Amino acid sequence: QSVLTQPPSASGTPGQRVTISCSGSSSNIGSNTVNWYQQLPGTAPKVLIYSDNQRPSGVPDRFSGSKSGTSASLAISGLQSEDEADYFCAAWDDSLNGHVVFGGGTKLTVL
Amino acid sequence: QVQLQESGPGLVKPSETLSLTCDVSGYSISSGYFWGWIRQPPGQGLEWIGSRSHSGSIYYSPSLRSRLTISVDTSRNKFSLRLSSVTASDTAVYYCARLYCGADCSIDSWGQGALVTVSS
Repeated sequence: QSVLTQPPSASGTPGQRVTISCSGSSSNIGSNTVNWYQQLPGTAPKVLIYSDNQRPSGVPDRFSGSKSGTSASLAISGLQSEDEADYFCAAWDDSLNGHVVFGGGTKLTVL
Repeated sequence: QVQLQESGPGLVKPSETLSLTCDVSGYSISSGYFWGWIRQPPGQGLEWIGSRSHSGSIYYSPSLRSRLTISVDTSRNKFSLRLSSVTASDTAVYYCARLYCGADCSIDSWGQGALVTVSS
């Protein structure tokens, strides 16, 4: 059971806009920043979004992040076939002397 | 660009100690950041294990603290995980990672992951 709640799956057709939600609590998302990661099969997770809504260099601006209260969202616009991957959110949690908490991951399928 | 690579035995017997090493290239561990471990049991979500800075500050998972040691070797630019008294529930893909800790901590780089199976 993951501390952050994500839908297990999402899907869209090429060119569509898809959003993935991540719900937490006051000790994690409500008081700390959220990161989003993309993981292709057999590869290391890659940072897509950090500090709620910042994109590392090299990440297309089709990917965007937002946060409100204890929930965050990842939006992917202009969906492409290569976006098919697992996406998960993470945040620092201030409880128990501090630790990283994760979402369970969302499998994105491009139809 | 920092790169991290896990290495270690893929099979560990119950009650023994799991040991993994993460080789870091492209960045000097002694320059800063925290260095940590995360695991993912088969079919389950990610679980925080813990992290340590080059200067010795630590964040350990409360549920693993009594069995856990994370060490940093700045001379060889690598860091290690030791988890004692393992059981089948410790079977997982283990990832090493770099964390930036400012007001909070976030993972900015990951290793590829190493599968460790606990079985006799």
